[in-house]
Amino acid sequence: LAKTTQPISMDSYEGQEVNITCSHNNIATNDYITWYQQFPSQGPRFIIQGYKTKVTNEVASLFIPADRKSSTLSLPRVSLSDTAVYYCLVGGTGRRALTFGSGTRLQVQP
Amino acid sequence: DTGVSQNPRHKITKRGQNVTFRCDPISEHNRLYWYRQTLGQGPEFLTYFQNEAQLEKSRLLSDRFSAERPKGSFSTLEIQRTEQGDSAMYLCASSLDAGTAGNEQFFGPGTRLTVL
Repeated sequence: LAKTTQPISMDSYEGQEVNITCSHNNIATNDYITWYQQFPSQGPRFIIQGYKTKVTNEVASLFIPADRKSSTLSLPRVSLSDTAVYYCLVGGTGRRALTFGSGTRLQVQP
Repeated sequence: DTGVSQNPRHKITKRGQNVTFRCDPISEHNRLYWYRQTLGQGPEFLTYFQNEAQLEKSRLLSDRFSAERPKGSFSTLEIQRTEQGDSAMYLCASSLDAGTAGNEQFFGPGTRLTVL
């Protein structure tokens, strides 16, 4: 399994763009990169997934360089409600179990 | 609400008692997963079903733990002779085996177990 490393915590202010970088040096050729968000006392929620280059959806963008050894989750104009733990996961197509690390605790302040 | 549901949401029990949790996945999802999460940590995989077959178990799943999915729909997770170390949030997730790329699992709200 590819191990991921991400910052333990980050602080931001409302309206700012937040970028959370995850390193995954041992990513395999068939691995995808997925990010989940978790609020207190809730289960994780899928945010975005990508394989290479850039992926964008209605809540976030995911930037993946050519070597795929890292990825950056970008949250535009965060609000207080974006305060949560963000997990970076790496896995192949059809992986049965997700392997979570400790995640990045994002605190958004007014 | 067509999401994953779990019952009960909270369970307090005394050490040595047995507890059972239930998970109802999204109806068309054929895969069902159980995870355990302790404070400050990410979820840890426990076991996985494809339809009614239990295909994978983590070594975290000691012989006091048993999970079933008898008809390929809802699932139960039972913990026998609970220990204080079993106190955690137990999360259930489901996904659709569509053969496409992706690890999108849909999680329930969890059952928080406290063993006194």
